[in-house]
Amino acid sequence: AQKVTQAQTEISVVEKEDVTLDCVYETRDTTYYLFWYKQPPSGELVFLIRRNSFDEQNEISGRYSWNFQKSTSSFNFTITASQVVDSAVYFCALRGGFQKLVFGTGTRLLVSP
Amino acid sequence: NAGVTQTPKFRVLKTGQSMTLLCAQDMNHEYMYWYRQDPGMGLRLIHYSVGEGTTAKGEVPDGYNVSRLKKQNFLLGLESAAPSQTSVYFCASVRGGRGADTQYFGPGTRLTVL
Repeated sequence: AQKVTQAQTEISVVEKEDVTLDCVYETRDTTYYLFWYKQPPSGELVFLIRRNSFDEQNEISGRYSWNFQKSTSSFNFTITASQVVDSAVYFCALRGGFQKLVFGTGTRLLVSP
Repeated sequence: NAGVTQTPKFRVLKTGQSMTLLCAQDMNHEYMYWYRQDPGMGLRLIHYSVGEGTTAKGEVPDGYNVSRLKKQNFLLGLESAAPSQTSVYFCASVRGGRGADTQYFGPGTRLTVL
């Protein structure tokens, strides 16, 4: 069975702090895909990144970076110099058969000024 | 190009009432999904469809039915609503196939069952 664990329920930081959101996954597949989505207070789901199991290179996009480590089954997400607009719920997800997504329970990030 | 749209955006039902949620996509996607989001539980898959005329159960299908009569539409029905079905419902679609394309999500429907 596939499973995604986001152990951090809520994180509070002050603006400009760096913050890392943890994601641990379980799968028996040798080829798999992982995703991160952002859900701002307005409620929509915004796609952030997709990573396949063949590529363990870290990814950086502006203030966002992702650390994928197969050895620890983790796909962690770091926001550098956080801003108030980063306040949202962040979901990590694992692709299953027929491209179904198995989501973690999410981490709520609160960035205060 | 509207992407994925959901109708209605909000709805309040009484226990035992029925309703249908409509999801429409204009991207010619093969696969479509219905998820529900509850506090502290993330999104869970209710039903999904891999093509017109096909549907399959997801993780939490009880109390729901679905239909995919047209490729662009995916309907989620509640025959006899229960308070446990109070949730935010998201529809999503993806191109299909063996890959891992980005799933596009609708804006969500907030349903309250009294």
